[in-house]
Amino acid sequence: QKEVEQDPGPLSVPEGAIVSLNCTYSNSAFQYFMWYRQYSRKGPELLMYTYSSGNKEDGRFTAQVDKSSKYISLFIRDSQPSDSATYLCAITEAAGNKLTFGGGTRVLVKP
Amino acid sequence: GAVVSQHPSRVICKSGTSVKIECRSLDFQATTMFWYRQFPKKSLMLMATSNEGSKATYEQGVEKDKFLINHASLTLSTLTVTSAHPEDSSFYICSASGFTSGTHTDTQYFGPGTRLTVL
Repeated sequence: QKEVEQDPGPLSVPEGAIVSLNCTYSNSAFQYFMWYRQYSRKGPELLMYTYSSGNKEDGRFTAQVDKSSKYISLFIRDSQPSDSATYLCAITEAAGNKLTFGGGTRVLVKP
Repeated sequence: GAVVSQHPSRVICKSGTSVKIECRSLDFQATTMFWYRQFPKKSLMLMATSNEGSKATYEQGVEKDKFLINHASLTLSTLTVTSAHPEDSSFYICSASGFTSGTHTDTQYFGPGTRLTVL
């Protein structure tokens, strides 16, 4: 079993829909949770990070963490074609430590 | 947010030559830098972790004599691919974490990546 599981997709949604992404993890020592967006042939871009259970909102993005279920989610509201990318969850035990990545979910938002 | 740059963005070289890739943190002190390799449609594979002023720690299976990492300052780390061969062709990405205005960045910020093609 991988430490972090993420559905590879692709996930195809119409413009304006809500995109729902999630990851599950097995190590209860993980404390920091991040979501990155990666466009083709580019480096990952940090979207959200949190270290507590609950919701965190930033513009159209909402990150959700449930430590009891070892489950994290990212929601993108009012999706745009420019949101088409691969989304990676990343988790670590402590700030500054190496990250454990999910495999990434490819998202396609159709106009 | 913190900015990390990489140079070059793309490099093509002949088999047997060495290639150096630079990773710079532009607006924060990068106490730790990470080097990743990414194959097409795959997730990132961590190659090594380097702390400023110390020797890099390599992940299992990564040849330290093949991939030389130097992190001599708080803003610069370099990855040198020695005697490159076609199988070393890949997308190499660095990331950094550290301190800005005395506060730890908490997470890693990634560079734009370097595409290496070895002929």
